[in-house]
Amino acid sequence: DADVTQTPRNRITKTGKRIMLECSQTKGHDRMYWYRQDPGLGLRLIYYSFDVKDINKGEISDGYSVSRQAQAKFSLSLESAIPNQTALYFCATSVGAGGGTDTQYFGPGTRLTVL
Amino acid sequence: AQSVTQLDSQVPVFEEAPVELRCNYSSSVSVYLFWYVQYPNQGLQLLLKYLSGSTLVKGINGFEAEFNKSQTSFHLRKPSVHISDTAEYFCAVSDWRGGADGLTFGKGTHLIIQP
Repeated sequence: DADVTQTPRNRITKTGKRIMLECSQTKGHDRMYWYRQDPGLGLRLIYYSFDVKDINKGEISDGYSVSRQAQAKFSLSLESAIPNQTALYFCATSVGAGGGTDTQYFGPGTRLTVL
Repeated sequence: AQSVTQLDSQVPVFEEAPVELRCNYSSSVSVYLFWYVQYPNQGLQLLLKYLSGSTLVKGINGFEAEFNKSQTSFHLRKPSVHISDTAEYFCAVSDWRGGADGLTFGKGTHLIIQP
């Protein structure tokens, strides 16, 4: 079984709808991240969490919110989806050794289309 | 602030030929450097990373990279590529401050292997 799972894998929705993307991990890692990937732009960080009580905004948090329900679960919500939020979304985890040396482990991604 | 430049958005190479994917970074402090690979329809996975010590780093699948501090580069190489190496390759940098906001990705290089 995959260590980092994301649901759903694909989602098509309409402008204005509320959407939740879910991420679960079995690696026992403290740190979790949400990124979005757009063609030609690489990965950009939306939110990250160092543990259940520590959640931080990333580079592009506007229009998004997150919830860390447990060490293993980190959800990303789009309160009112808009077309320019159409992208591939990745969840990632890391052990939290600190000092910038961590390897991040990625889920398979959720392809979101907002019409 | 730190940044990563991947000089080529796309690199076509014939099978069994050598390849080099270029990465340059800028940072005002000492850095850690990573290469991640994204195979079609999958999440990212770590190829290799440079933290300290020998400037030549060996990774998975026959890839290696060399850290060059004077040229602020971390180019990825493979002496003989295979069809299975077709993927998107991302260079990333972090620094001693750690934390998710310390990891910056480049925009990616699409490696296309031609038979």
